[in-house]
Amino acid sequence: QSALTQPASVSGSPGQSITISCTGTSSDVGGYNYVSWYQQHPGKAPKLMIYEVSNRPSGVSNRFSGSKSGNTASLTISGLQAEDEADYYCSSYTSSSTRGVFGTGTKVTVL
Amino acid sequence: EVQLVESGGGLVQPGGSLRLSCAASGFTFSSYSMNWVRQAPGKGLEWVSYISSSSSTIYYADSVKGRFTISRDNAKNSLYLQMNSLRAEDTAVYYCARDLSGKLALDYWGQGTLVTVSS
Repeated sequence: QSALTQPASVSGSPGQSITISCTGTSSDVGGYNYVSWYQQHPGKAPKLMIYEVSNRPSGVSNRFSGSKSGNTASLTISGLQAEDEADYYCSSYTSSSTRGVFGTGTKVTVL
Repeated sequence: EVQLVESGGGLVQPGGSLRLSCAASGFTFSSYSMNWVRQAPGKGLEWVSYISSSSSTIYYADSVKGRFTISRDNAKNSLYLQMNSLRAEDTAVYYCARDLSGKLALDYWGQGTLVTVSS
């Protein structure tokens, strides 16, 4: 099972919106609405930001939103803030003999 | 408050074994599937293993299949990962994580425990 493909880095200025893509196949991202997104600050454990493509857990800012089209899922961060600077990972349930797969990760930089 | 606390990491020689534990509290452990996820130094997240709430369903990443064994003790609110035939590429921080939906929505994570495989 290969990792889902994410851009290595995305940057934006405070207040702007950015979008991170996550590309898989019909066996994972495209086949199920079970895509999640995680935020990870250096030295910290990941934090769930979005699950089931577009659902936000309690306590997560509504500046974070998720969507999916075909084999590609996306995470959009609107009103970018300094605290959003972190690594972001997507993940998906998969029909392969394993269970799940993570994306390659995207470093978000706030300029 | 939900808490997950991993333990058991350390330095081990190639070919050696290690058993990781994850102590859960603050929620009904027996109602949730659990996962192990690892992160090699400076690298991305890698899903390692999944176990359903009743232990009836278990999955492994291809990279650890046949070498690692996941298990749980619902009476002790604990999750385990037995790691055998360890390789240098298994060096990583290992996290246990609660699965919100059973479909890899990991809503609570431990702080991680570092496993270093080196001679």
